[in-house]
Amino acid sequence: DTAVSQTPKYLVTQMGNDKSIKCEQNLGHDTMYWYKQDSKKFLKIMFSYNNKELIINETVPNRFSPKSPDKAHLNLHINSLELGDSAVYFCASSQGLGFAGGIETQYFGPGTRLLVL
Amino acid sequence: AQSVTQLDSQVPVFEEAPVELRCNYSSSVSVYLFWYVQYPNQGLQLLLKYLSGSTLVKGINGFEAEFNKSQTSFHLRKPSVHISDTAEYFCAVSGGNQGGKLIFGQGTELSVKP
Repeated sequence: DTAVSQTPKYLVTQMGNDKSIKCEQNLGHDTMYWYKQDSKKFLKIMFSYNNKELIINETVPNRFSPKSPDKAHLNLHINSLELGDSAVYFCASSQGLGFAGGIETQYFGPGTRLLVL
Repeated sequence: AQSVTQLDSQVPVFEEAPVELRCNYSSSVSVYLFWYVQYPNQGLQLLLKYLSGSTLVKGINGFEAEFNKSQTSFHLRKPSVHISDTAEYFCAVSGGNQGGKLIFGQGTELSVKP
């Protein structure tokens, strides 16, 4: 069983469209994250949720909206896609302690490769 | 604010040679340090982490890293690399009530040649 899974693996879409990426973890973790990896492989956190509560929101355009229906899922919805949104998006999870966390290992999904044309 | 600098963007090395991937960090508070590996077209996998205690940390696949507080470094080493170690390596820092946020370095591409 995959610990952290993401769907879809690849996503090709036109500028202006709205798309969603789904993430699920079966590790029983409390905290989930979204990271963006750009074309130069630089990784930057976007959001984190702890027990369905938003903990981190890193100056991400409000076209990006995370949604956590339960602590095992963290989905990412992107409105009005732009060329600059092309990247690999990674979901991760940890047995975090919320705001005071930081020592826990984060387990990453395989990534979703988004290409905006 | 915390930051991480990986001093080499690419490190080519021959199989069975030793390798060191360099990482320096900047932080005004106590930090936790991590090395992750990303194989082609895959997600990230933890190699090792430093939380406290012994400054020499051993990880998976024969890798180890040494935490040096005075030099604010956390260099990754392996005495003898294999072709299968070819991957992108990321140093990361967290801590200081940052909500578990990992700050990553720019990555080092390790290329092991036969």
